[in-house]
Order: sequence, then C-alpha cells, then structure tokens
Amino acid sequence: DQQVKQNSPSLSVQEGRISILNCDYTNSMFDYFLWYKKYPAEGPTFLISISSIKDKNEDGRFTVFLNKSAKHLSLHIVPSQPGDSAVYFCAASVGSNTGKLIFGQGTTLQVKP
Amino acid sequence: DTEVTQTPKHLVMGMTNKKSLKCEQHMGHRAMYWYKQKAKKPPELMFVYSYEKLSINESVPSRFSPECPNSSLLNLHLHALQPEDSALYLCASSRSGTVPYEQYFGPGTRLTVT
Repeated sequence: DQQVKQNSPSLSVQEGRISILNCDYTNSMFDYFLWYKKYPAEGPTFLISISSIKDKNEDGRFTVFLNKSAKHLSLHIVPSQPGDSAVYFCAASVGSNTGKLIFGQGTTLQVKP
Repeated sequence: DTEVTQTPKHLVMGMTNKKSLKCEQHMGHRAMYWYKQKAKKPPELMFVYSYEKLSINESVPSRFSPECPNSSLLNLHLHALQPEDSALYLCASSRSGTVPYEQYFGPGTRLTVT
C-alpha cells in the first residue's frame, strides 16, 4: 500500500512559468512533509519542508502548500528555470519519535527554455 | 559544511565477496541512515542510527550489516549478496533521529552484484 503518492510521473513547463507538483498521502498520522530534488547520478537534495500545523511555507522561488483535510500537498516553483529540471520526490515523516521518511514515486520536471 | 560523503562511488562485487560501503558527515548530526534506491523508484529506508545506536531496521536481510563506529561515520558491510541487490545505496544524516528534521543525502554508491 503506497502511503505517499505522486500521480504525475512527469511534467513539462516553459521557462518563466509556474511549475506545480502534487503529492497525496493516506496516513493522517504523518506530521511533517518534505520535498527533495534529485539529479541523475546524485543523491536527493532537500528543498523545502512543512509541518502539519502549517498550511504554507515559502523559501524563495519554492512554496509548499498543505491541505490536511484533502491529504494533499503541492510544490510551486515560480518562476521555473531550466536548472530546475530534475526528479522531485515528496516525502512524509512517519511520526515525531522516528526519523523514518516515506517517499513518493517522484515526478520528473522538465523546464524548457 | 553540509556535505555527506560516500565511498566508493561505484562497486562491482561477486556473490561470494565481502565489501563495505562508507559514509561520513561532519555537520554534527546525530542520526544517520542507509537507503536503497532502484532505478525509477523512490529511496527505501534500510537502517536508522540515532545517537550511534541502531533504532530502525526495516527487516533488511542479514547479508547487509550496518555499523556506526562514531557519530560521524556509518558503514554498510555486504556479504553474499544477490544480483537483485544491485542498486544505488544512499547515506543520509539529520540533526536527530527522533524528530523529523531534514535529512541530507550523500551522492550514493552504485552497487552491481555479478
């Protein structure tokens, strides 16, 4: 049973426009969510996180929105740049007494110049 | 310094070999992790060390043996692996293993079992 789902395997956007990556989860006990970016042949790089007590967190071009009632979060990248082209993973923390993360399947973002 | 280093970058081993993967961080983090990632799949947690003690083992086969000699180092000892164990092995660290701090990943070791 996949507890963290990224239903779009890929997304293509034009440079300068907004990229919106989506993530759904099933476990209401998740209390912390993170987004990671991964280039080929590299480890995932932490982008931004959000606690379940918030509904929005912003860091530069990246904003994460959390809708707990819908068990849905999204990552907005504005403006999108070609260097943002990578695989994006959503991850959820299983509980406040463990460092365990569960990752979604990933969405490949391509930003076209 | 926000770097997690892993050696070697690539490793090819036979099913009867014994080898070790190494991971190091100097961020003062007290939790370290081993993940396994197959192609086009998300990272899957294998082990968590918190304050140098094994806190999570995700039912990993005994042919994988983790070791945390000190708070900066993490090893993964490999013995009698199977071809299906071929994957990218990622190490990560975080400030603590008991609160959901961000995990910082190394570049990984690409393992091929022949």
